[in-house]
Amino acid sequence: GAGVSQSPRYKVAKRGQDVALRCDPISGHVSLFWYQQALGQGPEFLTYFQNEAQLDKSGLPSDRFFAERPEGSVSTLKIQRTQQEDSAVYLCASSLGGGQIHEQFFGPGTRLTVL
Amino acid sequence: QKEVEQNSGPLSVPEGAIASLNCTYSDRGSQSFFWYRQYSGKSPELIMFIYSNGDKEDGRFTAQLNKASQYVSLLIRDSQPSDSATYLCAVDNNNDMRFGAGTRLTVKP
Repeated sequence: GAGVSQSPRYKVAKRGQDVALRCDPISGHVSLFWYQQALGQGPEFLTYFQNEAQLDKSGLPSDRFFAERPEGSVSTLKIQRTQQEDSAVYLCASSLGGGQIHEQFFGPGTRLTVL
Repeated sequence: QKEVEQNSGPLSVPEGAIASLNCTYSDRGSQSFFWYRQYSGKSPELIMFIYSNGDKEDGRFTAQLNKASQYVSLLIRDSQPSDSATYLCAVDNNNDMRFGAGTRLTVKP
């Protein structure tokens, strides 16, 4: 596809359930980012990959959050034992990588609602 | 103090007017600066970026950067109702991108 895709677009989980969110970046994009966006706020950085290497995971809010990109393309964000405060839109973005300018292109997001 | 500050608005301008959106940032090592537009319920869409002091124009949009003042702005000329959205300022330091909370703009016909 031409853009970043994410699935599912919507996810409702019961508190305590594990969820997995998928991101398919733009073909050829080296860098991949995950953000969490609460209502009325800007995206908050969670983690960043360059190819398969997770270079920064400082934004992950707890050890219940885990991300991987094993083959340097598709990435999965996993949230274990979901809590109500995890309810948000999870955005994935990708960029070419390298160079001075790191324009990021966003997917449509996954809206997670934890009941 | 937040790393990237924006006036949350709402900013309301009449159709055809100039909308001025402002952003300040705290990280002096920031290298590039981005403006994204986000319609309600949609994901952010890149409008333009700037990395050198001064102005950069793209159609009806002009980004302005003053690194000494740690200030970025976006001007939208001849505002249209379709410009009504939240505008996010983003500041990047070597792939460490931080976003402001966004300014909600309403352009009234």
